[in-house]
Amino acid sequence: EAGVAQSPRYKIIEKRQSVAFWCNPISGHATLYWYQQILGQGPKLLIQFQNNGVVDDSQLPKDRFSAERLKGVDSTLKIQPAKLEDSAVYLCASSFAVTYEQYFGPGTRLTVT
Amino acid sequence: EDQVTQSPEALRLQEGESSSLNCSYTVSGLRGLFWYRQDPGKGPEFLFTLYSAGEEKEKERLKATLTKKESFLHITAPKPEDSATYLCAVQDVAGTALIFGKGTTLSVSS
Repeated sequence: EAGVAQSPRYKIIEKRQSVAFWCNPISGHATLYWYQQILGQGPKLLIQFQNNGVVDDSQLPKDRFSAERLKGVDSTLKIQPAKLEDSAVYLCASSFAVTYEQYFGPGTRLTVT
Repeated sequence: EDQVTQSPEALRLQEGESSSLNCSYTVSGLRGLFWYRQDPGKGPEFLFTLYSAGEEKEKERLKATLTKKESFLHITAPKPEDSATYLCAVQDVAGTALIFGKGTTLSVSS
């Protein structure tokens, strides 16, 4: 069974530029999550989707971050404009349902200079 | 507010030297406690889910236990390939998000 796919794996941008990350969850998983992991910290949830709908985006900085999940499968996370403090690893995870274990992708390491 | 505290932050062991990692948590109601392993440059890898106090789960050299306030990850006779960061997370009955601790970085030398 294929795991969670993410791209790109690495991205370097200058502050005030925009960037987008892509995630393809495990087939059949209805729930999709985006996490931000700053070096030395545990992952922090940014947004959670159940099929097409947003379940929790309470910690998403909505003035600069946006996310969508088209047709309940793939998802994109966008940052516009980026700030230095956005440098982190962005992890996508999926689960069969909200009460089930989450499976993570390899992450995208973002460096903002 | 839900909180997860892991200790120690870092642990160095000799191969074969057993030890335990601690995860203390505060939640209004526990839906589940999760253990993950994270290797450098990779995403967290799921290990265990524990749901109620007294529950135990094992996988190879790892055994996870749960009480009402904390969880332990016991590592028996570790090998160098067990070196990684171990993350603990809780899910509150009031929500669906996982709240992660900062992790314990384990280094096992031969």
